[in-house]
Amino acid sequence: GAVVSQHPSRVICKSGTSVKIECRSLDFQATTMFWYRQFPKQSLMLMATSNEGSKATYEQGVEKDKFLINHASLTLSTLTVTSAHPEDSSFYICSALVAGNFENEQFFGPGTRLTVL
Amino acid sequence: AQTVTQSQPEMSVQEAETVTLSCTYDTSESDYYLFWYKQPPSRQMILVIRQEAYKQQNATENRFSVNFQKAAKSFSLKISDSQLGDAAMYFCAYRIPTGTASKLTFGTGTRLQVTL
Repeated sequence: GAVVSQHPSRVICKSGTSVKIECRSLDFQATTMFWYRQFPKQSLMLMATSNEGSKATYEQGVEKDKFLINHASLTLSTLTVTSAHPEDSSFYICSALVAGNFENEQFFGPGTRLTVL
Repeated sequence: AQTVTQSQPEMSVQEAETVTLSCTYDTSESDYYLFWYKQPPSRQMILVIRQEAYKQQNATENRFSVNFQKAAKSFSLKISDSQLGDAAMYFCAYRIPTGTASKLTFGTGTRLQVTL
């Protein structure tokens, strides 16, 4: 199946700093990528939908100025957590849809654990 | 709004036995997709099985099968001959095929324990 990678797998940062998480589709083109957030023992909550070459669509309650999403190419999307605070500590997961095949499954990255001190 | 409900926060099954995980959903759409995802301790989401709503036949994948009841909006997952490696969180999910606006809606998950 298609492979999605995320980098870094885990990151620890100081409060007030910004952190960038990369999501790459390794062997396919992804016109649409999704960013999720998962707190311990909870489900995945969609943060935003990212389409290549256009602005991301954010879910209600997600601050677009805090969680900057860029989808500059068909194989790369980035999530930047700006001015991170301890409450931003979470597990962030990206997912990608194969271009032109949106009826099919989404492929998930392995996730990034963010800890803000 | 579409919602997905998993009423069993935790389930336990003995190795080699069969277990059924429940899922119900609410939608006004007639065409949609349903999924079961597995999330082991590694946190990697793995697709277990998929069902298209327009198909009456229940999907099966080796030891995994579903009981899809469209009228009742029910989509349960049966795991036969359970193995230790089946221990994980299982999420039921729903999606409508509306192009790039399509997105998965997840249930709250069921934690499955497999005992010897």
